[in-house]
Amino acid sequence: DARVTQTPRHKVTEMGQEVTMRCQPILGHNTVFWYRQTMMQGLELLAYFRNRAPLDDSGMPKDRFSAEMPDATLATLKIQPSEPRDSAVYFCASGFTPAGNYEQYFGPGTRLTVT
Amino acid sequence: EDQVTQSPEALRLQEGESSSLNCSYTVSGLRGLFWYRQDPGKGPEFLFTLYSAGEEKEKERLKATLTKKESFLHITAPKPEDSATYLCAVQAPEYGNKLVFGAGTILRVKS
Repeated sequence: DARVTQTPRHKVTEMGQEVTMRCQPILGHNTVFWYRQTMMQGLELLAYFRNRAPLDDSGMPKDRFSAEMPDATLATLKIQPSEPRDSAVYFCASGFTPAGNYEQYFGPGTRLTVT
Repeated sequence: EDQVTQSPEALRLQEGESSSLNCSYTVSGLRGLFWYRQDPGKGPEFLFTLYSAGEEKEKERLKATLTKKESFLHITAPKPEDSATYLCAVQAPEYGNKLVFGAGTILRVKS
């Protein structure tokens, strides 16, 4: 049963600390997306990669957020320094995009609380 | 201007009471419309993709339909386990590989 995995599932940290979230996409998928979900804003796209190359990170606050794919089985989202307004659930999703296929499959999320 | 609008925001049904959720969109050149189900504390779960007006897809008690400006998710004889937030998303050339999500409809089915 192929699925996207994310770690950690929950993270509580103090303002100013570095936070790293990890995602393992479904084997064979070539696109990876990072989303943030809050009650106020809903699902917001932060960044996405295709074939490990970053295609769009316009949704990310550039001064504190960074996203990378060191290899095809790992994507990371880092926040440094973290702030209380970063508290949200962060989802990773993956997909396989031959022409015409844009389906995305989501992981269980990382619930981040910054105090 | 919102490209994807879902209505109603919340819907309460009695078990067995059929209804429909709406997703309207304003993007041009739609490539795909996607329906997801999200349970509390979990990631969105993929349900359907619709590609062209007139297309329909079914899964158990759910049927999704698509017109040129909107999609409906019909729920027939719902059960309490159908309670969840239902999200729709659209994909269009202007967005590359990205999906644009609506705010969702929270469905509660009471037994």
